[in-house]
Parts: sequence; C-alpha cells; structure tokens
Amino acid sequence: GESVGLHLPTLSVQEGDNSIINCAYSNSASDYFIWYKQESGKGPQFIIDIRSNMDKRQGQRVTVLLNKTVKHLSLQIAATQPGDSAVYFCAETVSGTYKYIFGTGTRLKVLA
Amino acid sequence: GAVVSQHPSWVICKSGTSVKIECRSLDFQATTMFWYRQFPKQSLMLMATSNEGSKATYEQGVEKDKFLINHASLTLSTLTVTSAHPEDSSFYICSARDLGARAFFGQGTRLTVV
Repeated sequence: GESVGLHLPTLSVQEGDNSIINCAYSNSASDYFIWYKQESGKGPQFIIDIRSNMDKRQGQRVTVLLNKTVKHLSLQIAATQPGDSAVYFCAETVSGTYKYIFGTGTRLKVLA
Repeated sequence: GAVVSQHPSWVICKSGTSVKIECRSLDFQATTMFWYRQFPKQSLMLMATSNEGSKATYEQGVEKDKFLINHASLTLSTLTVTSAHPEDSSFYICSARDLGARAFFGQGTRLTVV
C-alpha cells in the first residue's frame, strides 16, 4: 500500500483553545492537498483543501497552511469544540494521477 | 457535497466464505473509485483503483485474486473478499472522485472474519 501507518500521535487541547495539527507530505510533485476528519467507525469526512499555488486557505473555523519548501501542511482549528474530537488525516495527490496518499493521522482530544 | 454510500456497514462471516462490499456514488458519476483498508489506529492504505469498464489497478502487495473488484457502472463498484480469513478482518473504505478531483468517502465497512 501507499501509506503504512504507525500508532497515531495524540494532540490534547482544552475546549476553546486553538488546535494546530501538522503533516509532512512525501512527494514534492504533489499539487493538491486535503484534510480529512475521521470519527470512530466512520469514513473520512472532507474538511478543507488547498492547491499548490496557494499557501493559505481559510474555511469556517479552519485554516490550512502549505509550505512547499519543507513539504509541510498544517490544519488550524479555532476555538476547538468537543465535536472536533476525531482523527485527522492529511492527503496528497498529483493532479491527473487520481491517487491520494494519506498521512499517518493525528488524534485530537478536546478536554472539557 | 457528493454522497458515497457503502454497504454493508458491518459484516461478520465465517472463514473460507466470500464477502461482497458495495460502493455507490449517489448523486454523481464516478469513472474512478478507490478501495482502502484501514487497521485500528492506522492510516488508510490504498488497495486498488477501480475504473469503470476496465480492470482494477492494484497496489503493490495486494492480491488481486483475493480482493476482486468490479466497476460495472459509473455509480457502482464492488469489492469481494474471497475465501476470507481472520487476518482479512479490517475496516474497508471506498471513495469516489467527482469531476473536480475531490474524493468523497463512504462510511466504511467493518469486516470481521471468525
């Protein structure tokens, strides 16, 4: 397979604080990046995406930052809520290949 | 966003039997669908790319005779786990891409082989 995962790292944040989840991607040719949220027993849910011609994109309470120089992607969640507790995956793809490669994932725990 | 429906959401089968999992794009046509496998606390591992009307493309290390994929229409792909064994127990997830290249995922199928 394309991505062999390790045991998931965990990020614990207090409710109301901002969360930053990081991802290092592998292919310098990748030009489209996506963040997914996965709750237990469910499929991944799209959060936000960004193309390589951008370095920042904002959504509702979420911001994705892309640093192509160091092949780094981050997801910022503002005012983290208990419902944000889940596993977050970044995915990368090269346009035209139709293949997504997933990162190892980060478990976000929101503390009340 | 587009909806991808996967069925069943969970299945328990006996060793040696075969199990079929369906993946449907409900409101868009998907010429390409993907099948992933996910072990507990791990990331999604791409198993194969399913192309409508042609043979699937399998990732290295994935047995094509073990995991049969059929993409008979623009809205349906099926994954059949043949002669299932306990080590095939896993969470299987499909996805489908729309014209905008964004992938939408099904809700996953929990397979338990006893």
